[in-house]
Amino acid sequence: GQQVMQIPQYQHVQEGEDFTTYCNSSTTLSNIQWYKQRPGGHPVFLIQLVKSGEVKKQKRLTFQFGEAKKNSSLHITATQTTDVGTYFCAGIQEGSRLTFGEGTQLTVNP
Amino acid sequence: DGGITQSPKYLFRKEGQNVTLSCEQNLNHDAMYWYRQDPGQGLRLIYYSQIVNDFQKGDIAEGYSVSREKKESFPLTVTSAQKNPTAFYLCASSISGPRNTIYFGEGSWLTVV
Repeated sequence: GQQVMQIPQYQHVQEGEDFTTYCNSSTTLSNIQWYKQRPGGHPVFLIQLVKSGEVKKQKRLTFQFGEAKKNSSLHITATQTTDVGTYFCAGIQEGSRLTFGEGTQLTVNP
Repeated sequence: DGGITQSPKYLFRKEGQNVTLSCEQNLNHDAMYWYRQDPGQGLRLIYYSQIVNDFQKGDIAEGYSVSREKKESFPLTVTSAQKNPTAFYLCASSISGPRNTIYFGEGSWLTVV
């Protein structure tokens, strides 16, 4: 079946440093979504990317969808303690259902 | 307020007992989902329903059952056949399928002792 791999599994940064998480699929995706889950909370939708090569920004967060629509990344510039949480990508193959990556757990040291 | 309500938030059960987790949404969404999350891990799909009176197995349906008699309700029963039921269970919904934004409930923590 479709698999979505996400790396790294854990990332510890000092406040102010940048952070990137990567998502890779074995098959072409029709779209990719990103979610954030705060500690003890539930996943919350961040963004959806649909087009090949698409780049979207939300303040300090930059989301990219690869040209081949098989990979995606989330980059956070100058992390803050409020960025702490687990970031999940979720991709859907044409005609299939949404598959979540295992997530990247981000810790930010003040 | 619009949203997804899961209950109970915390539940303890003895091994061998069935338990039902409630999920209600007032977003008028057609699609509803149940995910399981184990500590430090991702989300695995248990069951999903795209329309009333119809549901499909996800990746880890064994030991679970669902019903979708009403659009707004999608209860999950964790049966005694589920070998490792202790986990965090998340209910979710979307307008009409996975290409739309998925909204999650706050989750239910199930501990089986």
